[in-house]
Amino acid sequence: QVQLQESGPGLVKPSETLSLTCAVSGYSISSGYYWGWIRQPPGKGLEWIGSIYHSGSTYYNPSLKSRVTISVDTSKNQFSLKLSSVTAADTAVYYCARLSGVRGAVGDYWGQGTLVTVSS
Amino acid sequence: QSALTQPRSVSGSPGQSVTISCTGTSSDVGGYNYVSWYQQHPGKAPKLMIYDVSKRPSGVPDRFSGSKSGNTASLTISGLQAEDEADYYCCSYAGSYKVVFGGGTKLTVL
Repeated sequence: QVQLQESGPGLVKPSETLSLTCAVSGYSISSGYYWGWIRQPPGKGLEWIGSIYHSGSTYYNPSLKSRVTISVDTSKNQFSLKLSSVTAADTAVYYCARLSGVRGAVGDYWGQGTLVTVSS
Repeated sequence: QSALTQPRSVSGSPGQSVTISCTGTSSDVGGYNYVSWYQQHPGKAPKLMIYDVSKRPSGVPDRFSGSKSGNTASLTISGLQAEDEADYYCCSYAGSYKVVFGGGTKLTVL
């Protein structure tokens, strides 16, 4: 059974960089699939942040592209998200997911999510 | 890259059927047969219910079905049950490795 678990600071100061890691178990990232990040501000809808292919190719939401970096560490079977210059608008529950289907457009396995609050 | 348009809420009684619409453009919903639907209960992660417009993952009841016509996709839930009460989100591939979600629909089982 594929399982994903997000980890990282729950509180980040404005203008700093948000960093999260997603540990994957039950499947080797290097074997395939896209792996991605999706966020959900409190009381609002889902927003796709971006994804990384197992080979390392990355794809980002154009609205966040200038601030987002997604990377993969196959030796640890995990992938990471960095979002720079955060503001209160970046406060959200951040989910990591395994993405299947064409161009990784289908989230078939999700982590439980982690709330990140941007506040001084 | 605008969000797909969904009704904010729908409702139905147990045993009835409800349909949730998801309207996009020819650049996303209308341009690709890669629409998926997610169910989200409060405080939980989204769960994949439908992918590639009308395919059901293993374990999803056949009460859930998906379809598409032009720029609008639809999720139909037949034989409504209390546990179906949740938020539902549509999602579409939008070309160039971009993915866009709908704003979400709250389903209330009366």
